[in-house]
Amino acid sequence: AQSVTQLGSHVSVSEGALVLLRCNYSSSVPPYLFWYVQYPNQGLQLLLKYTSAATLVKGINGFEAEFKKSETSFHLTKPSAHMSDAAEYFCAVSIMNRDDKIIFGKGTRLHILP
Amino acid sequence: NAGVMQNPRHLVRRRGQEARLRCSPMKGHSHVYWYRQLPEEGLKFMVYLQKENIIDESGMPKERFSAEFPKEGPSILRIQQVVRGDSAAYFCASSASAGNMDEQYFGPGTRLTVT
Repeated sequence: AQSVTQLGSHVSVSEGALVLLRCNYSSSVPPYLFWYVQYPNQGLQLLLKYTSAATLVKGINGFEAEFKKSETSFHLTKPSAHMSDAAEYFCAVSIMNRDDKIIFGKGTRLHILP
Repeated sequence: NAGVMQNPRHLVRRRGQEARLRCSPMKGHSHVYWYRQLPEEGLKFMVYLQKENIIDESGMPKERFSAEFPKEGPSILRIQQVVRGDSAAYFCASSASAGNMDEQYFGPGTRLTVT
């Protein structure tokens, strides 16, 4: 079975500082991996996804994530935080070539300090 | 091109009543997914439907919950005899085709409160 663990339910960084949100996955078969962002009272928006091509994936809003099979990790980073990045971030996994569910982590709420 | 639409955005029901949540997928999308988000939790998959068919309902509670996606009209998630534990945000997503290479687009959610 697939699962996702996000380390830290809340992360605070200063504006302009590096953002690092951690995600580890468990999957017995090659996974697809996703990061979604959820702003207050809104639905989820896809930030980026890994689909077995390049291990370093670039997404929207300056975010990127690196797939590391040896560490079973897919951490999300951004070099310089902006106030507008304050939101909840979800890491998710699904199985290649399956056509249904995505398994989500519990989420990390990112706070940006002025 | 309108995105995924859900209504109502907020729904309040008393214990024992029925809740009906509607989801209109993006234009051209025939695959619909329902997820539930409990407070302080991630989204949990409930059901995957294509037009007139339930493909995977492994995440649906065995009782009181049902879903449909008729040939015409929106997808409906129906919860009968609601209880306090049903209070959550319910999100619908749609995609153009099967296979998870195709992005699932999420609606804004319906926040159900059971009093």
